[in-house]
Order: sequence, then C-alpha cells, then structure tokens
Amino acid sequence: AQSVTQPDIHITVSEGASLELRCNYSYGATPYLFWYVQSPGQGLQLLLKYFSGDTLVQGIKGFEAEFKRSQSSFNLRKPSVHWSDAAEYFCAIILTGGGNKLTFGTGTQLKVEL
Amino acid sequence: ETGVTQTPRHLVMGMTNKKSLKCEQHLGHNAMYWYKQSAKKPLELMFVYSLEERVENNSVPSRFSPECPNSSHLFLHLHTLQPEDSALYLCASSQAGRNEQFFGPGTRLTVL
Repeated sequence: AQSVTQPDIHITVSEGASLELRCNYSYGATPYLFWYVQSPGQGLQLLLKYFSGDTLVQGIKGFEAEFKRSQSSFNLRKPSVHWSDAAEYFCAIILTGGGNKLTFGTGTQLKVEL
Repeated sequence: ETGVTQTPRHLVMGMTNKKSLKCEQHLGHNAMYWYKQSAKKPLELMFVYSLEERVENNSVPSRFSPECPNSSHLFLHLHTLQPEDSALYLCASSQAGRNEQFFGPGTRLTVL
C-alpha cells in the first residue's frame, strides 16, 4: 500500500530563516502530490499541488515545493519564514487513476521563534 | 457563507447519546468526504460521496452513519460512540474527477 512519510514531527525555526519540510512517498508510480497547512482550530488549507510538468511548483503564502522522482520526495520550502507560518503541515498523495482518495502523512508541527 | 462550513464546531456527548454533524459546501462541488483526525495519527478517510452516491467506506464502524441528501450537504450521524471516537472530524469537498479537496474547519468531538 502507498504511504507518505514526514520524518520531522516538530521543527523550530527563527523568523526570517529559511524552511524546508520533508516528505517522502512510497508508491511505484508518480502520484499526485499536495501540501496542506492547518492552523490551530482550523481545517486544512491547500498550499500547492503537483500533477505533472515542471517539478518546482509555486504555492500560496510564498511556499514552493520540488518533486524529485529519483528520491520519491516532495519537500516544501520557504525562503523566509514569518511568525504567522506557525502551524501544522501535511503532505498528501493521490494515486494516479485512484479516484480522489487522499493519503496523508502524520504532519510536521512548525514553531517560529521571534 | 463561503467555502466549506461545519456545525457544530465543538460537541461533547455521552456514549448513549445520538447526535449529528453537519457539513455544507458553497463551492458547487459534487463530491464530499468525511475524515477523522486523531492525535498522533494521520488523517483517516471515512466516507466519500460522489454525485450523492457513497463510493467509499473505509471499514468505519456502524455507529457512524453518513447521509448525503444533496450535493451541497453531508451529515454524519453518531450513536453509541466510544471514548476512542473523540477526535476532530473534518469535511471536505471537491469536483468529481478533480483532485483538489477543500476542507471545512472541523468539529471537535469529545465522547465521555
């Protein structure tokens, strides 16, 4: 069965520092890839997605992610973190041709130090 | 109202109670989903409705009963729940055949 791994449960960065959140998937083919963010007490908001084409995708709030087929990874990055970015971040996949069934990672909790 | 709304936002119930969670989407979508989010566990897909027909049921106990009366509304009927059912229940919607799902804010359920 396919799976999504987010190896970092918690990450703390200083405001203004760069950020990279890791995501790896286990699946024979290239799935559709997503990053969602969840602020406390809120639902999930889609940051960006990758279906095909350019492997560097831009999202909202200044985030970007790069798909690396050789590493089965889809890491999320931001050049300069703002205090309002503190939240939980989820990587998710949908198998191509697998309908709309999202499989999520366990999430990475981001803390931003002022 | 815009996007996906869920009511109530918080619910406390005893194990013998019957309650319902409501989800409404204002995006013109025709697929709706229930997810369960428990601490320290990945989000779990519970049910999928596409064009008002249930197309996915991920081995969810029968004490959870979904209902989708039309493409804009989704309910989750709860009865004789267990304390381990305490979680955040998230509703999402999408256009059938497209992969981007839009989530509501969730209902925080506590079972005593």
